[in-house]
Amino acid sequence: DIQMTQSPPSLSASVGDRVTITCRASQSISNYLNWYQQKPGEAPKVLIYAASSLQSGVPSRFSGSGSGTDFTLTISSLQPEDFATYYCQQSYSTLWTFGQGTKVEIK
Amino acid sequence: QLQLQESGSGLVKPSQTLSLTCTVSGESISSGGHSWSWIRQPPGKGLEWIGYIYHTASTSYNPSLKSRVTISVDRSKNQFSLKLSSATAADTAVYYCARVNSGLYSSYYMDVWGKGSTVTVSS
Repeated sequence: DIQMTQSPPSLSASVGDRVTITCRASQSISNYLNWYQQKPGEAPKVLIYAASSLQSGVPSRFSGSGSGTDFTLTISSLQPEDFATYYCQQSYSTLWTFGQGTKVEIK
Repeated sequence: QLQLQESGSGLVKPSQTLSLTCTVSGESISSGGHSWSWIRQPPGKGLEWIGYIYHTASTSYNPSLKSRVTISVDRSKNQFSLKLSSATAADTAVYYCARVNSGLYSSYYMDVWGKGSTVTVSS
């Protein structure tokens, strides 16, 4: 199985801050990496697919980068509606796996 | 607009089979080009991919669940279903269905999700 490790597990930030979340794969997954946002009581929502492609309708303050084993999700200026849990997910192998999540909280 | 809606039994007894259906509206499952997936989330925990079915009815399952899982499609009703046999308390979770889309070079991602269905396994 390909293990996905996110860091940090949680972070506190203020509105307007630049936030970076990292995701590391246990082996190379090329760019087969997606990022999801989940708010309490809601289904996940895809933000970024194929490591750096912005899903239609997602604000441009979200961006993704990386390839191989190391990936980054960046929120350029945190907004009140961005407080949520973020998950990375790989679709490189036939067993799709998620990271454990990063909870972004209000500072 | 594409919408997915889960339905099924909210309470399952241990050792029984958990059954859920996802009704797709706004797109025909048979139209091709997409797979359809199930994902679950135990209370307070992260996401676990269960498996997916392609419009041709070929399937791919999480090996940790493969011996107990069946995903099938009913084209006449535009639905796909999940059955998980020999349920235990560890299967208690919110179950989501989702559409699988693909980007360049077959990079697959889940772009439309149902709201989720809570299933509790308890006697």
